Amino acid sequence: IQLTQSPSLLSASVGDRVTLSCKGSQNINNYLAWYQQKLGEAPKLLIYNTNSLQTGIPSRFSGSGSGTDYTLTISSLQPEDVATYFCYQYNNGDTFGAGTKLELK
Amino acid sequence: EVQLQESGPGLVKPSQSLSLTCSVTGYSITSNYWGWIRKFPGNKMEWMGYISYSGSTSYNPSLKSRISITRDTSKNQFFLQLNSVTTEDTATYYCARGGIADYWGQGVMVTVSS
Repeated sequence: IQLTQSPSLLSASVGDRVTLSCKGSQNINNYLAWYQQKLGEAPKLLIYNTNSLQTGIPSRFSGSGSGTDYTLTISSLQPEDVATYFCYQYNNGDTFGAGTKLELK
Repeated sequence: EVQLQESGPGLVKPSQSLSLTCSVTGYSITSNYWGWIRKFPGNKMEWMGYISYSGSTSYNPSLKSRISITRDTSKNQFFLQLNSVTTEDTATYYCARGGIADYWGQGVMVTVSS
């Protein structure tokens, strides 16, 4: 299964509602996770099984979707959210998206 | 707290083998799944394979002929060996816990170059 993330680069302001997209080439059956990777750090699991928030992750992060289309939403962007975000499917094999780089406007 | 730490050489010559160790603290590798993920220059990420709590392994089909993941339960470590490396294996290598990789090591950058 191929994953396509969009946009590849997103500029937003503090307080903005931000939406990141991940589209699969086939049905992912909700086996979709999101990771955040800050510069020089290891990736951090944010969301698994489409909409389950990993322990310790702020509630401004949420996930949704079904079938082939999935979304990560940050309800109110904070400066510390500047990072690259990857989606990952584990329904059929294991594949990552190419990432969305999120920067402050 | 679960912690993972990769170690190994940062430079490997083409055609040689890449060998990395992942040391785990705070959790036994005889529970759960443990895997290797790599991130290429340009951001593409790839699951390489994993070893289960029982010692069974599963590998990315694209690597199946070159990869081996083993473990030493007495040291709570697991290992990656990738044979016949080329420059295209240059990447940052991460070890991680579980199928959804809920804990990661910091990563080790490996360059394949003569």
